Amino acid sequence: QKEVEQNSGPLSVPEGAIASLNCTYSDRGSQSFFWYRQYSGKSPELIMSIYSNGDKEDGRFTAQLNKASQYVSLLIRDSQPSDSATYLCAVTHSGGYQKVTFGTGTKLQVIP
Amino acid sequence: DGGITQSPKYLFRKEGQNVTLSCEQNLNHDAMYWYRQDPGQGLRLIYYSQIVNDFQKGDIAEGYSVSREKKESFPLTVTSAQKNPTAFYLCASSRRDRAFFGQGTRLTVV
Repeated sequence: QKEVEQNSGPLSVPEGAIASLNCTYSDRGSQSFFWYRQYSGKSPELIMSIYSNGDKEDGRFTAQLNKASQYVSLLIRDSQPSDSATYLCAVTHSGGYQKVTFGTGTKLQVIP
Repeated sequence: DGGITQSPKYLFRKEGQNVTLSCEQNLNHDAMYWYRQDPGQGLRLIYYSQIVNDFQKGDIAEGYSVSREKKESFPLTVTSAQKNPTAFYLCASSRRDRAFFGQGTRLTVV
């Protein structure tokens, strides 16, 4: 079982729709959760972080965390063609060394 | 400005050669990572280091080597044993939780 799992996609949504990206993780002691966006040929950039159960909203982005289900998601409202990118889920493990582990990413395509 | 610097941005390697990719950070981060990314694919972990003079293999360490003699530096050597090294290489660092990335090095075998 992979430590952090994402559906590779591509996930295609029409412009203006809500895009829903999902991620599961295996370490129950994980403490910190992140979403990164990566445009083709560029390095990933951090867009959201979440640390406690529930929702966290930032503009058009909402991160959702459910530690009991070991599940974290990212919702993008009013999707724009500029949101087309690969979205990486990252999890920080418990323990003395807080290693960050990335999923392989979900490619999102927003269709104009 | 604090950040992570990777160099060079583009690198060409002849078959059979070893090449070293540089990664330097001035963020005072303890952990550093190297990832490989092939076209249209996700990140694959090569090596990571939590402290100076200590590092662990990731999922695809064969054909690569690293060192961590200083907190700020984590160079990656792509050896001749790596048969298909053409890829985009990303270095990252983290402290406590979130990771930050360098701009990447694109390595091509010629």
